[in-house]
Amino acid sequence: QLQLQESGPGLVKPSETLSLTCTVSGGSISSSSYYWGWIRQPPGKGLEWIGSIYYSGSTYYNPSLKSRVTISVDTSKNQFSLKLSSVTAADTAVYYCAKGGGIIPGAFDIWGQGTMVTVSS
Amino acid sequence: DIQMTQSPSSVSASVGDRVTITCRASQGISSWLAWYQQKPGKAPKLLIYAASSLQSGVPSRFSGSGSGTDFTLTISSLQPEDFATYYCQQANSFPLFGPGTKVDIK
Repeated sequence: QLQLQESGPGLVKPSETLSLTCTVSGGSISSSSYYWGWIRQPPGKGLEWIGSIYYSGSTYYNPSLKSRVTISVDTSKNQFSLKLSSVTAADTAVYYCAKGGGIIPGAFDIWGQGTMVTVSS
Repeated sequence: DIQMTQSPSSVSASVGDRVTITCRASQGISSWLAWYQQKPGKAPKLLIYAASSLQSGVPSRFSGSGSGTDFTLTISSLQPEDFATYYCQQANSFPLFGPGTKVDIK
């Protein structure tokens, strides 16, 4: 059973870079039929897709965040990562990693539990 | 840019009620639509993908329909564990979630 687990600092200072890692267990991150994504949810608000990375290494980002986002994969560790630069209080949110693809077109069928990141000095 | 709307934003219902939630895309997205259920403090759970395909393990009281711009999620007989917030998500272009519909107890 594939599982995802987010990790990273829970507190980031304004103007710094938020860095999170998602560790995939129970399956290979290199599967050609999957893609991997980051989604966030500010407290009390809705869901916002940040970006996705495919097995090929191709990345796709939310246009509203594109200038600040980098998603990468480390196949040796079965992990993928998120970097969000120049953060402000508006980036305070629960950050989820998720898996898409396979027999499930266009949707995220497996999610991590989420990790709360607060941007504050 | 595609915009997603949901209605109602909240609904109060009783156990056993039939509940219908609507999701509308500002432009056609074929059947590239998914529905999720989220409970407080938990990650979203996929219920429906490709507009009407039931995700494995999801009870059959959940169903989805629609194509193009108008979609519905129906819970045929609301159960206590169904009180939650429901989000639609389009996947025709980049993933975009609707604002959510909260289903609470009447």
